[in-house]
Amino acid sequence: DVKVTQSSRYLVKRTGEKVFLECVQDMDHENMFWYRQDPGLGLRLIYFSYDVKMKEKGDIPEGYSVSREKKERFSLILESASTNQTSMYLCASSEGAVNHEQYFGPGTRLTVT
Amino acid sequence: DQQVKQNSPSLSVQEGRISILNCDYTNSMFDYFLWYKKYPAEGPTFLISISSIKDKNEDGRFTVFLNKSAKHLSLHIVPSQPGDSAVYFCAAANNAGNMLTFGGGTRLMVKP
Repeated sequence: DVKVTQSSRYLVKRTGEKVFLECVQDMDHENMFWYRQDPGLGLRLIYFSYDVKMKEKGDIPEGYSVSREKKERFSLILESASTNQTSMYLCASSEGAVNHEQYFGPGTRLTVT
Repeated sequence: DQQVKQNSPSLSVQEGRISILNCDYTNSMFDYFLWYKKYPAEGPTFLISISSIKDKNEDGRFTVFLNKSAKHLSLHIVPSQPGDSAVYFCAAANNAGNMLTFGGGTRLMVKP
């Protein structure tokens, strides 16, 4: 079974803090994704990566950056957290060049106060 | 503007009856569609998918129907069980890439 793990289930940060969310997958998947989930808006793609050191912006990249130094690990960085970044953050991975089935981690509930 | 919409935020169904969850899309470039199920405090899990070359795909109690001319898909669950209570997301993809566009989700409640 594919396993996608996220470093924290719950996180509380203050406005202006730098926040790191870590994601690790154990199935050697090429593609990794970061989403945020908000009520009524579904899952919105922040960034994705199709290879080490490669990244592409999703629908809502503003205020976020990412890092992929190793194939199994994809980090989401909030350079200066703001209250409107309070959300559920979900990491996912998928295999291959065109494979739509994504496997998700359990999510990190981030609260910025 | 949301390219994938689930217009019913919630649905309540009696155990044993059929659950029908609907999804509409606007982008005619979408040619692959998926349904995901999400329980509280867990990540979404893949449920069933359909390619645009088909109009129906069935997996046990779950059937997805695709109407390309109407840009509409639906998920049928028969018979519904209390364990099906979850949030269901539809997602769409363009075969040229590996990004998914998700709808807003429908919360299904199956009453015993």
